[in-house]
Amino acid sequence: EPEVTQTPSHQVTQMGQEVILRCVPISNHLYFYWYRQILGQKVEFLVSFYNNEISEKSEIFDDQFSVERPDGSNFTLKIRSTKLEDSAMYFCASSGGTSGYEQYFGPGTRLTVT
Amino acid sequence: GEDVEQSLFLSVREGDSSVINCTYTDSSSTYLYWYKQEPGAGLQLLTYIFSNMDMKQDQRLTVLLNKKDKHLSLRIADTQTGDSAIYFCAESEGSQGNLIFGKGTKLSVKP
Repeated sequence: EPEVTQTPSHQVTQMGQEVILRCVPISNHLYFYWYRQILGQKVEFLVSFYNNEISEKSEIFDDQFSVERPDGSNFTLKIRSTKLEDSAMYFCASSGGTSGYEQYFGPGTRLTVT
Repeated sequence: GEDVEQSLFLSVREGDSSVINCTYTDSSSTYLYWYKQEPGAGLQLLTYIFSNMDMKQDQRLTVLLNKKDKHLSLRIADTQTGDSAIYFCAESEGSQGNLIFGKGTKLSVKP
C-alpha cells in the first residue's frame, strides 16, 4: 500500500542552523501539508501546498520557514535559522488525486534544537 | 478561533467497548476525522465522516456525529490490547483544508 515517507527520522541541530526536512508524498496525490507536534501539545497545521504554490499557511509559518517541491517526488520544509522552540515532531501529509481528500501522514521527523 | 476538545485519558478492559468523545466549535466544519497514533509512530487515518451524515460504521468502529451539539464520538467494539494508542479527533472546513486537531485521548486497554 502506498505511504508517505519522511527523512530523517530524527534530526539534531544547533540553534541558528538551517535544517531541511524531507518528505515523499504518495505518488498520485496533489495536495501536500506540513504539521508539527510539540511534545505534549496538539498537532498544529503549518502549511499546505498545491499546484507548486502555498495555498494556506498558519501564523506559525513565518519567514523562517519555506517549502519546496524540487522535483516530481520530494516535498521539503526548510527552517532557516532554528530556535529552541522549533523542537518538535514534524509530520508531512498528502491527499487528493484518485484516493480522494483524506490526508495520509508520514511517520514524522523528530527535530531537536540544542 | 476553531477549537477541538477531547478528554485526555480513557481506560477500558479488553473485550469491552470504548467510546472516545470529541467536541468542536467550528460550525462550518464539513469533514471530521479520527486518527490513531501508536507510540513512536505517525498518524494513521482510521475513519472520517461528512457533516451531512449522522453515523458511519466500519467493522469495529462506529462514528456518531451530532451536528447540533457539535459532538463527535468514536466507538470501538470488542476493544483489544492492540487498540491501545492515542486517538485524535480532527476537523476541516473543506475537502482539502488544513486539519484542526484535538489534544488526543490516550486509550489504555487492560487485559
